[in-house]
Amino acid sequence: EPEVTQTPSHQVTQMGQEVILRCVPISNHLYFYWYRQILGQKVEFLVSFYNNEISEKSEIFDDQFSVERPDGSNFTLKIRSTKLEDSAMYFCASIRLSVMAETQYFGPGTRLLVL
Amino acid sequence: EDQVTQSPEALRLQEGESSSLNCSYTVSGLRGLFWYRQDPGKGPEFLFTLYSAGEEKEKERLKATLTKKESFLHITAPKPEDSATYLCAVQAQGSSNTGKLIFGQGTTLQVKP
Repeated sequence: EPEVTQTPSHQVTQMGQEVILRCVPISNHLYFYWYRQILGQKVEFLVSFYNNEISEKSEIFDDQFSVERPDGSNFTLKIRSTKLEDSAMYFCASIRLSVMAETQYFGPGTRLLVL
Repeated sequence: EDQVTQSPEALRLQEGESSSLNCSYTVSGLRGLFWYRQDPGKGPEFLFTLYSAGEEKEKERLKATLTKKESFLHITAPKPEDSATYLCAVQAQGSSNTGKLIFGQGTTLQVKP
């Protein structure tokens, strides 16, 4: 069964450093999402991406964040200058088409720890 | 503002003791309501999608139902392996909507043998 994959599974970084989180969505999916979950809190929407551009972003997704689909398979989330409060689990999700509330399938997540 | 509230926050059951989890939502037109299961340190695992009031879906010991204001996840005769956090999420209608999910805070279920 196709699945969303994410790398790395864990990332430890120093405050102020740049990190890139990688995701490989399900192959025929067209809409891509990033969510984050701070320990003990809700899963929060960050950004949606379609046709090589951002289609919606949350207030959390400020200028420090960017997303890219550099090739036909990868979908990345870059945090330019990490802060302590960026420590969280980051999940990638994808759907085939944005019609009729199609199910979003989530990856296993990247646990980011900013020291 | 679109909002999802789940209750209880935590639930402890004995194996075989049936119960229900609640998900109340306020949304500007419901496109779909989703139930996910999340194990510690893992990504949400899809369980059910419900689209309209009155709809029900079942999978093994789980049954999800939907009304115009809330959804229930009924767990019948649970087993220890059903222990997990159960997440409810909604997707709203609207021209600006791109499919983002709005999650509740989850219900952490512990089933003791």
